Amino acid sequence: QKEVEQDPGPLSVPEGAIVSLNCTYSNSAFQYFMWYRQYSRKGPELLMYTYSSGNKEDGRFTAQVDKSSKYISLFIRDSQPSDSATYLCAMSAGEYGNKLVFGAGTILRVKS
Amino acid sequence: DVKVTQSSRYLVKRTGEKVFLECVQDMDHENMFWYRQDPGLGLRLIYFSYDVKMKEKGDIPEGYSVSREKKERFSLILESASTNQTSMYLCASSSRRTGAREKLFFGSGTQLSVL
Repeated sequence: QKEVEQDPGPLSVPEGAIVSLNCTYSNSAFQYFMWYRQYSRKGPELLMYTYSSGNKEDGRFTAQVDKSSKYISLFIRDSQPSDSATYLCAMSAGEYGNKLVFGAGTILRVKS
Repeated sequence: DVKVTQSSRYLVKRTGEKVFLECVQDMDHENMFWYRQDPGLGLRLIYFSYDVKMKEKGDIPEGYSVSREKKERFSLILESASTNQTSMYLCASSSRRTGAREKLFFGSGTQLSVL
């Protein structure tokens, strides 16, 4: 079993829809949680960063962490064609020397 | 603007060749990383470095080595390229500061094909 599980999709939605992307994990030591967005033929870029449990909002994006369920989510409101990309979750225990563990990524397509 | 630059966007090499992938960052970051990205497998860590001349193995170091002679430059070396090393290679960097270590800045990647 992988340490971080993420549905690869593709997930196809109409423009304006609310998108929900999710990851589950098995390591209870994880306390830093991130979402990276990767456009085609580009490197990933950090989209959201959350420490421990709770919600974080940034414009149309909301990141949620539920440590009791070992489950994280990224919500995109009013989705746009420019949101079409691969979304990678990543997490870390945060100890010095500890590395990030990435999900495999979910491909999102927003149709106009 | 923050920048991680990888020297080549596309590379085609032959089996058995020694391959050098170069990465330079201009953010004065202490940490640098090399990942490979394959469909369905996500990003896998090859090597990382927390300081000049320091290196640590990641999850899949076999067949690779690295060099960090200067803070801003981190090189990945394929000692004898094989076809199973055909992949997208991504370099990343981050600050050592607490709370910033996990905020990686990535380059655009090098698509390596080994024939």
